[in-house]
Amino acid sequence: AQSVAQPEDQVNVAEGNPLTVKCTYSVSGNPYLFWYVQYPNRGLQFLLKYITGDNLVKGSYGFEAEFNKSQTSFHLKKPSALVSDSALYFCAVRDIRGSNYQLIWGAGTKLIIKP
Amino acid sequence: DGGITQSPKYLFRKEGQNVTLSCEQNLNHDAMYWYRQDPGQGLRLIYYSQIVNDFQKGDIAEGYSVSREKKESFPLTVTSAQKNPTAFYLCASSTGLQETQYFGPGTRLLVL
Repeated sequence: AQSVAQPEDQVNVAEGNPLTVKCTYSVSGNPYLFWYVQYPNRGLQFLLKYITGDNLVKGSYGFEAEFNKSQTSFHLKKPSALVSDSALYFCAVRDIRGSNYQLIWGAGTKLIIKP
Repeated sequence: DGGITQSPKYLFRKEGQNVTLSCEQNLNHDAMYWYRQDPGQGLRLIYYSQIVNDFQKGDIAEGYSVSREKKESFPLTVTSAQKNPTAFYLCASSTGLQETQYFGPGTRLLVL
């Protein structure tokens, strides 16, 4: 069965430090992988996606994510955190095979950046 | 959020009442989706529509209904059969089912 795990409910980082939000996945074939961000009482905003090609994907607001097939991971990273990065982050996956186009979502990780 | 609007921002439902959440998009997207978000959980798919006059059930369709009479609009009705409707409801759209989904600002439904 397809699944996504975000092992940390919350991540705390000091402003200016690098940040990592973890995501691991399980699909039977090759994955499409996505990261979204949600600010309080708002909809989700698309950050970046991996379809194929370079394992390092760059996205909005200085975020990037690294696809690691052997570890089935797609961790979100940023070299220098901002207080404004504080939000809820969601990882999602889709198996590119077959006709099931449904996204499978992680439970979300709350990122807190302290000044 | 741009291009996808949801209304109202907050909605209150009385026992036994049906309520309808609006979702409109001006992105010329073919596919539209409704998700439910509960605290500490990922998004769960209620219904999706690939094209006008066609829609499919998602994982938690019971107690909900939708229509897709226009490309721009995908309203969701929460019926009285949905016994635990309190949640944040998110509408999304994409150019196709395999493409990136873009989200509206959401509607928070509360039960009186």
